[in-house]
Amino acid sequence: EAEVAQSPRYKITEKSQAVAFWCDPISGHATLYWYRQILGQGPELLVQFQDESVVDDSQLPKDRFSAERLKGVDSTLKIQPAELGDSAMYLCASSFRGREEETQYFGPGTRLLVL
Amino acid sequence: AQSVTQPDIHITVSEGASLELRCNYSYGATPYLFWYVQSPGQGLQLLLKYFSGDTLVQGIKGFEAEFKRSQSSFNLRKPSVHWSDAAEYFCAVGARNQGGKLIFGQGTELSVKP
Repeated sequence: EAEVAQSPRYKITEKSQAVAFWCDPISGHATLYWYRQILGQGPELLVQFQDESVVDDSQLPKDRFSAERLKGVDSTLKIQPAELGDSAMYLCASSFRGREEETQYFGPGTRLLVL
Repeated sequence: AQSVTQPDIHITVSEGASLELRCNYSYGATPYLFWYVQSPGQGLQLLLKYFSGDTLVQGIKGFEAEFKRSQSSFNLRKPSVHWSDAAEYFCAVGARNQGGKLIFGQGTELSVKP
């Protein structure tokens, strides 16, 4: 069964350092989502791609976060510089065309700890 | 703006007992509604979803949920809980015409005692 791949699974970094997370969605899925999940809370959407274009980044802290999906397939989320409050689980999800009724398939996530 | 409330942060049930997890949403029209489950350190897996039609929805692993418009609720139920059901459960609402964006509740952690 096709799955969403994410790496690394765990990342420990010091504040002010740069970190990057990678996501490979299910093959053929045009829509890719990055969510942030703070411990004890539900996931919150950071950015949504349709193919290579950003369609929603309203909750992305653009002063330090960036995301790209250059060829409309895999995606990278970067934080520079990392802050203590960025410690969270970063989840990637994909869906076929991004329609509301479609299932979003989630990867295992990258757990980030900022010291 | 749409929102989701899961009133119970943590629930403990005995194995074999029935389960009901509560979810209330706020949205001006009929939303798309989802229940996801998350095992420790893992991503989210879809249990079931509701868009229209029959208000009682069947999902995987023996779960079902009922949409009640009058109560703005979408509660998740299971008649007999297994130890492997211990996990975090998230209710989510998807607004129409917003490209699949999901708004999640804060989650309910389920513990199962032998």
